[in-house]
Amino acid sequence: AQSVTQLGSHVSVSEGALVLLRCNYSSSVPPYLFWYVQYPNQGLQLLLKYTTGATLVKGINGFEAEFKKSETSFHLTKPSAHMSDAAEYFCAVSDRAGTASKLTFGTGTRLQVTL
Amino acid sequence: NAGVTQTPKFRILKIGQSMTLQCTQDMNHNYMYWYRQDPGMGLKLIYYSVGAGITDKGEVPNGYNVSRSTTEDFPLRLELAAPSQTSVYFCASSPQGATQYFGPGTRLLVL
Repeated sequence: AQSVTQLGSHVSVSEGALVLLRCNYSSSVPPYLFWYVQYPNQGLQLLLKYTTGATLVKGINGFEAEFKKSETSFHLTKPSAHMSDAAEYFCAVSDRAGTASKLTFGTGTRLQVTL
Repeated sequence: NAGVTQTPKFRILKIGQSMTLQCTQDMNHNYMYWYRQDPGMGLKLIYYSVGAGITDKGEVPNGYNVSRSTTEDFPLRLELAAPSQTSVYFCASSPQGATQYFGPGTRLLVL
């Protein structure tokens, strides 16, 4: 079984400030980890993913995340927030076993960016 | 390249009515998925398919049915709509064991 916990359903930052969105996972097998972003009334768009190899993963729009196995974490960061970053962010874990990569999602974190 | 398309975008159903949510992908992906998204609950997997003719249940399959007659299409059927099925439905597709690509969603309201 696998699960994802996203700490903080709402996060508010000032424009130009550091963005930190927290994600902890539980998985019985080595995980694939994902961050998706959802803008209002739209579908989910992949920000970045970790499969194997380098634990610091860079994604689109200046976001990055670091896989820390010892902490079972995959926190999302961006050095300087922009107004356009306001959206809902979902962390997800994939079970590598089996023939289909079924994703288990966290409950999401809504990011608000203020002037 | 359209990616994953879903129709309709929005629908209101009366209790007990039936409908089919359409999903089509043009990326020749073998795997396709249906999720529902409820406020504060993240996305829950309803059904998935690993190829034409092969489907399997996800976490919340009750009240839904699917079929996969072609690689491109993966319709989701609601036979007897209930208020608990009010949600936003997302279809996704992926190559084997890799990133899932999502459609824009269908917003369903059951009254």
